[in-house]
Amino acid sequence: GAVVSQHPSWVICKSGTSVKIECRSLDFQATTMFWYRQFPKQSLMLMATSNEGSKATYEQGVEKDKFLINHASLTLSTLTVTSAHPEDSSFYICSASPGTGVNTEAFFGQGTRLTVV
Amino acid sequence: AQTVTQSQPEMSVQEAETVTLSCTYDTSESNYYLFWYKQPPSRQMILVIRQEAYKQQNATENRFSVNFQKAAKSFSLKISDSQLGDTAMYFCAFMKPPGGAGNMLTFGGGTRLMVKP
Repeated sequence: GAVVSQHPSWVICKSGTSVKIECRSLDFQATTMFWYRQFPKQSLMLMATSNEGSKATYEQGVEKDKFLINHASLTLSTLTVTSAHPEDSSFYICSASPGTGVNTEAFFGQGTRLTVV
Repeated sequence: AQTVTQSQPEMSVQEAETVTLSCTYDTSESNYYLFWYKQPPSRQMILVIRQEAYKQQNATENRFSVNFQKAAKSFSLKISDSQLGDTAMYFCAFMKPPGGAGNMLTFGGGTRLMVKP
């Protein structure tokens, strides 16, 4: 199947600094990618939809100035957590599909564990 | 908006036995797609099985099968001959029809399954 690579797998940063997480589709082009956040022992909550060449669409309650999303190419979306604080510590996961419809499965990155100290 | 509910936070099963995980959903859409994803301790999301709402036949994938009841908006997962490697979090997910929002998934709260030797 298709591969989505997410980097880094884990990161520790100091409070007040910014952290960038990359999501790459390695063998297909993705006009749309999705960013999820997962707290321990909880489900995946959609944060935003990343659209290539246009602004991301954020879910209600997600601060767009806090979580900057850039989808500059058909194979790369980035999530930047700006001025990170301990409450931003979480597991972040991206997903992408080669196309639309159920026959094009949603593939997930390995996830990024962010710890803000 | 769609909602997905998994009423069993945790379940356990003896190796080689059968277990059923429950999922209900709510939607006003007539055509949609349903999925079960597995998230092992590595936290990599893995597609287990998918079902297209317009298909009456229940999907099967080796030891995994679903009981899709469209009128009741129910979508349960049956795992036969459970194996130790089936130990994981299982998420039921709903996807809007294609062309709406790419392949955006709405996840249930998850069921933690432990297979005991």
